[in-house]
Amino acid sequence: DQQVKQNSPSLSVQEGRISILNCDYTNSMFDYFLWYKKYPAEGPTFLISISSIKDKNEDGRFTVFLNKSAKHLSLHIVPSQPGDSAVYFCAAHNNDMRFGAGTRLTVKP
Amino acid sequence: NAGVTQTPKFRILKIGQSMTLQCTQDMNHNYMYWYRQDPGMGLKLIYYSVGAGITDKGEVPNGYNVSRSTTEDFPLRLELAAPSQTSVYFCASRNRGANTEAFFGQGTRLTVV
Repeated sequence: DQQVKQNSPSLSVQEGRISILNCDYTNSMFDYFLWYKKYPAEGPTFLISISSIKDKNEDGRFTVFLNKSAKHLSLHIVPSQPGDSAVYFCAAHNNDMRFGAGTRLTVKP
Repeated sequence: NAGVTQTPKFRILKIGQSMTLQCTQDMNHNYMYWYRQDPGMGLKLIYYSVGAGITDKGEVPNGYNVSRSTTEDFPLRLELAAPSQTSVYFCASRNRGANTEAFFGQGTRLTVV
């Protein structure tokens, strides 16, 4: 059962523009949502998170939005930089922790 | 702090062989997880543990076993390896509590031939 879904396998944006990555979930018991960034041959690294009681969390160029009624969250990166190019995973946890399939972001100079 | 350490980094197994993937964390985290990532895919949860002596199945537990005798260690056992178990395996840990992020090891690349 795919409880966390990322329906866009890839996204390409121009440097300086906004990147928007989307994620949907089905399990209403999740109480914390996270975004991880992953480079090849490395483990995922934490990027930003949001509690289920909030609807927005901002950290520098990164903002995560949560819409609980729609069971949807998104990651906004503004402005996008070439160094942001990586695979981004959406995750959600209660006790277990489930991941989406990932979105490969390419930021072109 | 070393964080989450996985060994080995690479391994080739023959069909039917067994092996244990080791995972150790030095952050005194209660929660530990094992994932597999197939090429071009996301991370699938195999097993997880919320503390020493407690383990639970994830999405894809068949063909694997785990144990959690200490807070630090969470080994993953493969019995009778099959080609379908060729994957990259990641171990992760996080602290107790809702608002905590997980830390991942560098992964073990396993090939079953």
